[in-house]
Amino acid sequence: QQQVKQSPQSLIVQKGGISIINCAYENTAFDYFPWYQQFPGKGPALLIAIRPDVSEKKEGRFTISFNKSAKQFSLHIMDSQPGDSATYFCAAGGANNLFFGTGTRLTVIP
Amino acid sequence: KAGVTQTPRYLIKTRGQQVTLSCSPISGHRSVSWYQQTPGQGLQFLFEYFSETQRNKGNFPGRFSGRQFSNSRSEMNVSTLELGDSALYLCASSYSGWEAYEQYFGPGTRLTVT
Repeated sequence: QQQVKQSPQSLIVQKGGISIINCAYENTAFDYFPWYQQFPGKGPALLIAIRPDVSEKKEGRFTISFNKSAKQFSLHIMDSQPGDSATYFCAAGGANNLFFGTGTRLTVIP
Repeated sequence: KAGVTQTPRYLIKTRGQQVTLSCSPISGHRSVSWYQQTPGQGLQFLFEYFSETQRNKGNFPGRFSGRQFSNSRSEMNVSTLELGDSALYLCASSYSGWEAYEQYFGPGTRLTVT
């Protein structure tokens, strides 16, 4: 059973636009929700993370929105840039292991 | 501070052989987790080690094993390789599994089984 469902699978956005990626999780015991960015040939890099006691966290152009009752969270990338083109993974879990979404390939068109 | 390092970066093995991959965590990090990444299955958790003890294990067969040394360096071993084991193997380290959740990934080892 997929613990974390991520959509869309791929996303194309114009430069300057807003990129939105959504995730849903099953286990209400999860208490850590990070987003990772992965470029080809590289390992995933931690982008931003949120705990369930807050509904939103913003770091620069990246914002996580969290809806505990709906068991959903999303990543918003404001003013998307070509350099943001990468694969984005959401994850959910606890201290000892993370369950990852299947990834979203983002392409930002200049 | 140096990041997570993994060796080798690329590996080609034949079905039936065994392989050992190595991971050196960020200095001061004591928890090391291993993941398998494939196009079809995405990132899947293999196991996590802390202070030389396996604390958590994913849903992989016993052919996949690991260990951690006193300096927190970790190795994972896959025996009797199958074609389906071809994947990018990633390790991630964190300061402490209980107190800090942030995991930092290495570049991975690309394993190809022929």
